[in-house]
Amino acid sequence: DIQLTQSPSSLSASVGDRVTITCRATQNIFTYLAWYQQKPGKAPKLLIYGASNLQTGVPSRFGGSGSGTEFTLTITSLQPDDFATYSCQQYHRYWTFGQGTKVEVK
Amino acid sequence: EVQLVESGGGLVKPGGSLRLSCAASGFTFDTYTMNWVRQAPGKGLEWVSSIDGSGRYIYYADSVKGRFTISRDNAKDSLFLQMSSLRAEDTAVYFCTRDSNYGDYWGQGTLVTVSS
Repeated sequence: DIQLTQSPSSLSASVGDRVTITCRATQNIFTYLAWYQQKPGKAPKLLIYGASNLQTGVPSRFGGSGSGTEFTLTITSLQPDDFATYSCQQYHRYWTFGQGTKVEVK
Repeated sequence: EVQLVESGGGLVKPGGSLRLSCAASGFTFDTYTMNWVRQAPGKGLEWVSSIDGSGRYIYYADSVKGRFTISRDNAKDSLFLQMSSLRAEDTAVYFCTRDSNYGDYWGQGTLVTVSS
């Protein structure tokens, strides 16, 4: 089974900050990686697919990079609406999710 | 507009059964693989099961294999999850998701609580 490990598990940041979250896979998943944003009591929202492709309607301050086993989600200038939990997902073989990274107000 | 609406969650005793439904609209249902994903309270997302558009190809997570059965009714644009031999660790919000390789659309989820 392919495991995903996100770091950090949580972080504190301020509006305007640049935020980076890392996702590492236990084996090569090429670019079969997606990122989701989730707010309490809500369904996950797709942000990025194919490691770096922005889903329609997602603000351009969100960006993804990486391939193989190491991936990054970057928010270039954190906005009030961005405080949430972010999860990566591999879809190379079935689906696996990372444990999530909670972005909190500093 | 794509919509996925789950129903059927509730409180069930350990060892009991429950059937979840997901009503789909706004897209050609039988051309998409569909998935169930769950999230235990305060935990991360866990893929549960998938079924292709024809219903022929079905996959399960090891944690539910032999206890859960996924199915679909393409005539009614509906997805189902029959859950049996439920355990406390099956307590979670269950989401149905449309599969475009990744989950591009998600329902709002339905809560399943397994407790005596």
